[in-house]
Amino acid sequence: AQSVTQLDSQVPVFEEAPVELRCNYSSSVSVYLFWYVQYPNQGLQLLLKYLSGSTLVKGINGFEAEFNKSQTSFHLRKPSVHISDTAEYFCAVSEGGSYIPTFGRGTSLIVHP
Amino acid sequence: GAGVSQSPSNKVTEKGKDVELRCDPISGHTALYWYRQSLGQGLEFLIYFQGNSAPDKSGLPSDRFSAERTGGSVSTLTIQRTQQEDSAVYLCASSLDTRTVYGYTFGSGTRLTVV
Repeated sequence: AQSVTQLDSQVPVFEEAPVELRCNYSSSVSVYLFWYVQYPNQGLQLLLKYLSGSTLVKGINGFEAEFNKSQTSFHLRKPSVHISDTAEYFCAVSEGGSYIPTFGRGTSLIVHP
Repeated sequence: GAGVSQSPSNKVTEKGKDVELRCDPISGHTALYWYRQSLGQGLEFLIYFQGNSAPDKSGLPSDRFSAERTGGSVSTLTIQRTQQEDSAVYLCASSLDTRTVYGYTFGSGTRLTVV
């Protein structure tokens, strides 16, 4: 069965600093991987996804993530964050053929001026 | 519509009362999902609809929870005899089809508070 672990519940960072939000998954089959962002009082918005091919995936708002099969990880990175990036970030995994992805518990990114 | 619409955005109810939460998915999206987001928790899958097929109810936490989807479009999640532990944000999402490759479009959710 698939599972997702987001190792940090909260990540504080200063504006313009780089950030990495960690995500590890557990699955015995091929997977699709997603990162979603949730701004306050809003629904989740897809940031990026890995389906196949290049392991480095670029998404919206300058975010990127790298799929590492040997480490079973899909960490999200941004080289320079803005105040507006303050939000909750969710990693999700879907095993090939599964209709229902599993979401992590979320990481709260807090960007300080 | 342009996005997934959920109503009401906030609902306060007394313990023991029934509530209905509505989701209007994106036009043309055949797959519809309900999730529950509790404080400090991730998203908990509740139920999934795909077209006219029987829904996948494997995530419903108890028989007090039920959902229907009429005409392959609007969905209603019903919670009977609400309990305080039902307090959460209920999120609806839709997708073009069952293949999760497309990712989901989420609504803004309904914040349910049971007092």
